[in-house]
Amino acid sequence: QKEVEQDPGPLSVPEGAIVSLNCTYSNSAFQYFMWYRQYSRKGPELLMYTYSSGNKEDGRFTAQVDKSSKYISLFIRDSQPSDSATYLCAFSMNRDDKIIFGKGTRLHILP
Amino acid sequence: DADVTQTPRNRITKTGKRIMLECSQTKGHDRMYWYRQDPGLGLRLIYYSFDVKDINKGEISDGYSVSRQAQAKFSLSLESAIPNQTALYFCATSDLRPGQNEQFFGPGTRLTVL
Repeated sequence: QKEVEQDPGPLSVPEGAIVSLNCTYSNSAFQYFMWYRQYSRKGPELLMYTYSSGNKEDGRFTAQVDKSSKYISLFIRDSQPSDSATYLCAFSMNRDDKIIFGKGTRLHILP
Repeated sequence: DADVTQTPRNRITKTGKRIMLECSQTKGHDRMYWYRQDPGLGLRLIYYSFDVKDINKGEISDGYSVSRQAQAKFSLSLESAIPNQTALYFCATSDLRPGQNEQFFGPGTRLTVL
C-alpha cells in the first residue's frame, strides 16, 4: 500500500463551482496535514495547514482531516480561474520530520 | 526579491558531465532541502540539511551529492549526469515554528540530460 495516494487529474470544473480534492494515506503516525499549491513554472507554496483532526477554513478554502478514515480533503468554494494549479497534499509526523508529498492533482477552472 | 533563489533556472547538459545546482536563501532558515519533481512521481526528497554541519540523505540520494557552504547556501551536484536525472529540481527551506512545519520553495531548476 502506498503511503500517500492522490488522483493526478486533470480535474476541470466551471468557474464558480465547488471543488473537492482528496488524498488518502496509510501512516497513522501522521499528525500534520498540509495542502500546497503549485502554479505552472513555480515552486509549491503552503496553502492550508491542519494539526490532527478536524476542519480549518481560510476564505474560500476549507481543509478537512478524517484520521479514522486516513483521508484528507481540500474544498474550494466559488472557484476562480486563478485557482488553476496543481494541488499537493502533504504529511508529516511531527514538526521536526520530513514532509511526504502526494503526487499532486492538476486543477483547471474554466471561465 | 525572492527569498529562495536557484541558479541556473534551466540547464541542458550531456551524459557524463558534472553539474552543480545552487540554492541561496535570505529567510534566515537553518533547514534546507533538495527535491526533484517528475511527472507522475511527485516531489521526492534527495538530501536535506538541518544546519551547516548536518547533511542527511533523503529518499533518492544515489547519484547526487550536496554541500552546505553556509547557512544561506546549499548546492546539489550530479557528479556524472545520466538521462534519468532529467527532472525539475527544487530547493526549499524551513524553520521551526510553533504548530507548523512549512517549507518555502525556490522557483525550480529544469535540468535536461541528453
